[in-house]
Amino acid sequence: QKEVEQNSGPLSVPEGAIASLNCTYSDRGSQSFFWYRQYSGKSPELIMFIYSNGDKEDGRFTAQLNKASQYVSLLIRDSQPSDSATYLCAVCCPGGYNKLIFGAGTRLAVHP
Amino acid sequence: DVKVTQSSRYLVKRTGEKVFLECVQDMDHENMFWYRQDPGLGLRLIYFSYDVKMKEKGDIPEGYSVSREKKERFSLILESASTNQTSMYLCATAKDYGYTFGSGTRLTVV
Repeated sequence: QKEVEQNSGPLSVPEGAIASLNCTYSDRGSQSFFWYRQYSGKSPELIMFIYSNGDKEDGRFTAQLNKASQYVSLLIRDSQPSDSATYLCAVCCPGGYNKLIFGAGTRLAVHP
Repeated sequence: DVKVTQSSRYLVKRTGEKVFLECVQDMDHENMFWYRQDPGLGLRLIYFSYDVKMKEKGDIPEGYSVSREKKERFSLILESASTNQTSMYLCATAKDYGYTFGSGTRLTVV
C-alpha cells in the first residue's frame, strides 16, 4: 500500500462547478497535511495546509481533514480553467526532518 | 518570501558525464531536499540534508550523491549520467509550513 494515495484522474469538471480532490494516507502518526498545485512544466506551489480535523477555508479553496478515516480532501469552488493543473497531496512527516510524503497527484481539467 | 534558486532551468548532458545541479536558498532553513519527478511516478526523494555536512539517503539514491558545505547551498551530483536519469529535478527547502520548491531543472541525458 502506498503511503499517500490519490486518484490520478483526470478529473474533468465544467467551469463554475465544485472540484473535489481526495487523498488517503497510511501513517496514523501524520500531523500535518498539504495541498500543492503544479502546472505543467512548473514546480509545485503550496495552496493550503491543515493540521486539525475539520474544514479550513481560504478563498475558493477548502481543505478537509478526517484523521480517524485518514482522509484529506480539497474542494475548489467556482472552478476556473486556470485551475487546470495537477494537485499533489502531501503528508508530514513520518520520517521526521520535515520530510513530506507526496501522493502521485490528481490531474484536474476545468472545461469552459 | 523564501526563495529557492536552481541554477539551470534546462540541461542537456552526455552519457557518462558528471553533472552538478545547484540549489541555493535565501532563508535560514536547515532542511533541504532533492526530488526527481517523472510522469506517473510522482515525486521521488533522492537525498535530503538536515544540517551543514549532514545528508541522508532518500528512496532512490543510487547513482547520485550530494554536497552541503554551506547552509544555503545543496548540490546534487550525478556521478556518471545515464539516460534513465533524464527527468525533472526539484530542490525544496522546509520549515514549519511545508516546502518551498525551486523552479526545477529539466535534465536530458543523451
